[in-house]
Amino acid sequence: NAGVTQTPKFRVLKTGQSMTLLCAQDMNHEYMYWYRQDPGMGLRLIHYSVGEGTTAKGEVPDGYNVSRLKKQNFLLGLESAAPSQTSVYFCASSWGREVTTGYTFGSGTRLTVV
Amino acid sequence: GDSVTQMEGPVTLSEEAFLTINCTYTATGYPSLFWYVQYPGEGLQLLLKATKADDKGSNKGFEATYRKETTSFHLEKGSVQVSDSAVYFCALSDRQGAQKLVFGQGTRLTINP
Repeated sequence: NAGVTQTPKFRVLKTGQSMTLLCAQDMNHEYMYWYRQDPGMGLRLIHYSVGEGTTAKGEVPDGYNVSRLKKQNFLLGLESAAPSQTSVYFCASSWGREVTTGYTFGSGTRLTVV
Repeated sequence: GDSVTQMEGPVTLSEEAFLTINCTYTATGYPSLFWYVQYPGEGLQLLLKATKADDKGSNKGFEATYRKETTSFHLEKGSVQVSDSAVYFCALSDRQGAQKLVFGQGTRLTINP
């Protein structure tokens, strides 16, 4: 089925470890986004991309890096994980030029840093 | 910056009750407004949207009207079902640049049979 696929779905890291979350979309969307979801705080934007080869910081970018080498993929990296990065991470994509269609979200990655 | 404020939850109702979840926003321009729904263990799904003042978005019995004068986009449903139990997010998107979505904190809704 067409949509946004996130891998992995669950992960437990030790403090200081690194990892990469992968987001892949097959809808030819231009724009892609990484959000984190924490209880009582809704979703907060970490980084986003408006096209292949571009990235930009969102509301809470510290401790994360991203890359968009291919249009269909958007990678989120944690170089040195901290307990404060325990969260559920959602990737989303959109056409961009027609914002009224909203976003398509992945099913999320639940990350625990111990 | 832009922001969205939702009524605090959790909200618990009986089946067939009337639902209102309040949402107000602050924006410098003329945003598009959305309601997203998140079922347990899943990602967010677009429930409905409105792109200009006085537009009414509707889907699956849910409705919300874009009220520019009160900067509100309240979600309503006349008769809720157990299957409506989920977390509901109000969001806005400006029409500029990267058109990022700004979310409210979410309202958890539980419907009891």
